[in-house]
Amino acid sequence: GEDVEQSLFLSVREGDSSVINCTYTDSSSTYLYWYKQEPGAGLQLLTYIFSNMDMKQDQRLTVLLNKKDKHLSLRIADTQTGDSAIYFCAESDGQNFVFGPGTRLSVLP
Amino acid sequence: EAGVAQSPRYKIIEKRQSVAFWCNPISGHATLYWYQQILGQGPKLLIQFQNNGVVDDSQLPKDRFSAERLKGVDSTLKIQPAKLEDSAVYLCASRLGTNTGELFFGEGSRLTVL
Repeated sequence: GEDVEQSLFLSVREGDSSVINCTYTDSSSTYLYWYKQEPGAGLQLLTYIFSNMDMKQDQRLTVLLNKKDKHLSLRIADTQTGDSAIYFCAESDGQNFVFGPGTRLSVLP
Repeated sequence: EAGVAQSPRYKIIEKRQSVAFWCNPISGHATLYWYQQILGQGPKLLIQFQNNGVVDDSQLPKDRFSAERLKGVDSTLKIQPAKLEDSAVYLCASRLGTNTGELFFGEGSRLTVL
């Protein structure tokens, strides 16, 4: 079946850039998503990219997609303490969603 | 706009007991999902409804889990009897359409089975 993988932990210093990486296996993925989960809360959509795009930028967030390698990344510029959370990568064929295990981002002052 | 509502937020039961979780999706959202999120893992789909019909329940352990969405609005997920490995957060999500629209999540119901 489809699989999505992510590194589990990332620590950065406040003000630095964070890069969270994700790989997926489903070649029929139409959409790729990044969700953020804060403690005790549900998942919140941060951004998404269509599979026919290479890059999408939204304020401090930049998503890069390498469809050939099935690799997705999320760059957060000027990372703040409020960005500390778990970030989930997800792929979808339009109807079904498959989530990765999440990357816990810790932002050090 | 009100978000996806879930209750209870927390539940502690002993193994072999039963438990039920409730979800009220965003008004007008036709598609409703139940996910199981075990600590340290991503959400895994249990069941997907389109209005009051089941679209996908292939990963629902039907010997102990059941879910319904009467009248195509609220949904209930039941576990009977519970096992230790059912300890997880149960997330409900809704979406406007079947293939389009953002997936909105509730805050989840955390189940601890002792």
